[in-house]
Amino acid sequence: AQTVTQSQPEMSVQEAETVTLSCTYDTSESDYYLFWYKQPPSRQMILVIRQEAYKQQNATENRFSVNFQKAAKSFSLKISDSQLGDAAMYFCAYRSRIRNTPLVFGKGTRLSVIA
Amino acid sequence: KAGVTQTPRYLIKTRGQQVTLSCSPISGHRSVSWYQQTPGQGLQFLFEYFSETQRNKGNFPGRFSGRQFSNSRSEMNVSTLELGDSALYLCASSLAHSGAGADTQYFGPGTRLTVL
Repeated sequence: AQTVTQSQPEMSVQEAETVTLSCTYDTSESDYYLFWYKQPPSRQMILVIRQEAYKQQNATENRFSVNFQKAAKSFSLKISDSQLGDAAMYFCAYRSRIRNTPLVFGKGTRLSVIA
Repeated sequence: KAGVTQTPRYLIKTRGQQVTLSCSPISGHRSVSWYQQTPGQGLQFLFEYFSETQRNKGNFPGRFSGRQFSNSRSEMNVSTLELGDSALYLCASSLAHSGAGADTQYFGPGTRLTVL
């Protein structure tokens, strides 16, 4: 079974600085998707970024980018120019592209942004 | 497009009662998945429905059930509520064509269930 590990339960960053959240996963599959979701205090789970495993190019969405290392099974999220609104729980998630399987989530990293 | 909607947003029930939660997916999305989120267990998959058929099921007791209607709206039901069922229940929808693999899931705001 696939597993997703987020080794940093909590992190903090100064406003306007850059922070990187770590995620590793374990799978025997070669074709899959990886996601980062953000869950602010409102509890709404918001998609931040998605990466397709067959694409070597790292995904970017405005201030959010990932460092996808397929061989190392690593998928970190970099947030540049951090803003107060970035404060939230961040979840890394995996889903097989081949089989109908649900999202597998990590335990999450709570990010605080300091003004 | 409107996002995923869930009703009600908050529920308070007592042990032994049953509850029904509702989820309306994004227009055009045919797959609906349900997740339970608790501080201790994190996010756990309950079940997925596609075209009114349960396509996948997580490791939850039979007290947890669901269904999907022809308009893709979904309901989940929990019977004989236990204190441990207190959680945030999240619904997610995706395009997910039949037989296809992963597709991006978009989440609703959740229903906060408290069992007293």
